[in-house]
Amino acid sequence: GEDVEQSLFLSVREGDSSVINCTYTDSSSTYLYWYKQEPGAGLQLLTYIFSNMDMKQDQRLTVLLNKKDKHLSLRIADTQTGDSAIYFCAERWADKLIFGTGTRLQVFP
Amino acid sequence: DTEVTQTPKHLVMGMTNKKSLKCEQHMGHRAMYWYKQKAKKPPELMFVYSYEKLSINESVPSRFSPECPNSSLLNLHLHALQPEDSALYLCASSPAWASGDNEQFFGPGTRLTVL
Repeated sequence: GEDVEQSLFLSVREGDSSVINCTYTDSSSTYLYWYKQEPGAGLQLLTYIFSNMDMKQDQRLTVLLNKKDKHLSLRIADTQTGDSAIYFCAERWADKLIFGTGTRLQVFP
Repeated sequence: DTEVTQTPKHLVMGMTNKKSLKCEQHMGHRAMYWYKQKAKKPPELMFVYSYEKLSINESVPSRFSPECPNSSLLNLHLHALQPEDSALYLCASSPAWASGDNEQFFGPGTRLTVL
């Protein structure tokens, strides 16, 4: 299972919530991750969820996991302009990280 | 110190040059990784070192040669590269490989251009 799909682009108004979706393929994945990448920079781990959990909340971030549908989402509450970046989901597969295609989040005032 | 550093930040080289990328971490992590990232694409794993031994080589061409001199350092030696090798090269580290949550910390990357 090495195809992890994300929608390419999301545009939201400052202060609104953003929801970034990810569909992964390997139901045996133990951990799923969300990374943020700003232009010209490396990847920053935002949060991760273990596969036996349905939800994890960390300040403005909420991760939802639907194992039946192999669907992962990241909700960012009160989205700020500093949240503009590319967001990658990743699944742990065969002791490697397989990254999704990335979603570019644009936040406008 | 909770970061991964990479040098240089930018590198331009010709196809006949030999150069090296360097990565360093002082978090006591025992797994280190090289990734290649092309524009508008996700990172792709190249190599994994665990306890200073090469554990994964993702069929990377031999013009890329990794080296792990000690538990804090990871190098990537480059020789006879092609223009299509131009990319952002990311280094990462994690406490261990193939165990636990494998939380990987990434460096800022080296932007490589091959002329």
